[in-house]
Amino acid sequence: TQLLEQSPQFLSIQEGENLTVYCNSSSVFSSLQWYRQEPGEGPVLLVTVVTGGEVKKLKRLTFQFGDARKDSSLHITAAQPGDTGLYLCAGGQGNTGKLIFGQGTTLQVKP
Amino acid sequence: EAQVTQNPRYLITVTGKKLTVTCSQNMNHEYMSWYRQDPGLGLRQIYYSMNVEVTDKGDVPEGYKVSRKEKRNFPLILESPSPNQTSLYFCASSSRLQYRFSNQPQHFGDGTRLSIL
Repeated sequence: TQLLEQSPQFLSIQEGENLTVYCNSSSVFSSLQWYRQEPGEGPVLLVTVVTGGEVKKLKRLTFQFGDARKDSSLHITAAQPGDTGLYLCAGGQGNTGKLIFGQGTTLQVKP
Repeated sequence: EAQVTQNPRYLITVTGKKLTVTCSQNMNHEYMSWYRQDPGLGLRQIYYSMNVEVTDKGDVPEGYKVSRKEKRNFPLILESPSPNQTSLYFCASSSRLQYRFSNQPQHFGDGTRLSIL
């Protein structure tokens, strides 16, 4: 069974701090997605990375896919209370239709 | 409005009483999938469907059935629910191009919270 290990599982920081969330696996994925989930709602896609070494930026969020396509990171600069939520990474496998999720990182940004 | 609709949103039932959670999407998507979400485990894929009449097992299919008779609907069936199936369930859909090239999102429903007593 393929696994995606996400760390840390919980993170509580002050507004303005920077943070990084990691997603690691021993398996190679064809793509890696990052989602954010609010209580009572389904996950919402933030970004998909498909090429080894790829870096994507979404305002204050920077996403990176490892060169070997086995790991990824999400870096948030100057976190704000609105960034609070559950962040999930998910690895895709080409045309199989399978998607493997990490355990999630619960982020709390205090004003 | 493009959406994935799940029903019911909440259900409390008893062990052994068959239940169905419906999922419907209005985006003409080929691909649909069911997940369960449990604390500390993230989302785990139960079943997925690449198109009408095509379904396949995810990582945790035991105790569940699905069917895909129409493109828009992908119901999740629990023939004999047990307490370990108490969970938050999500349905998701994508177009064929979205899941193949992985450059567009899966669209998730808002979830169904099931409690099996």
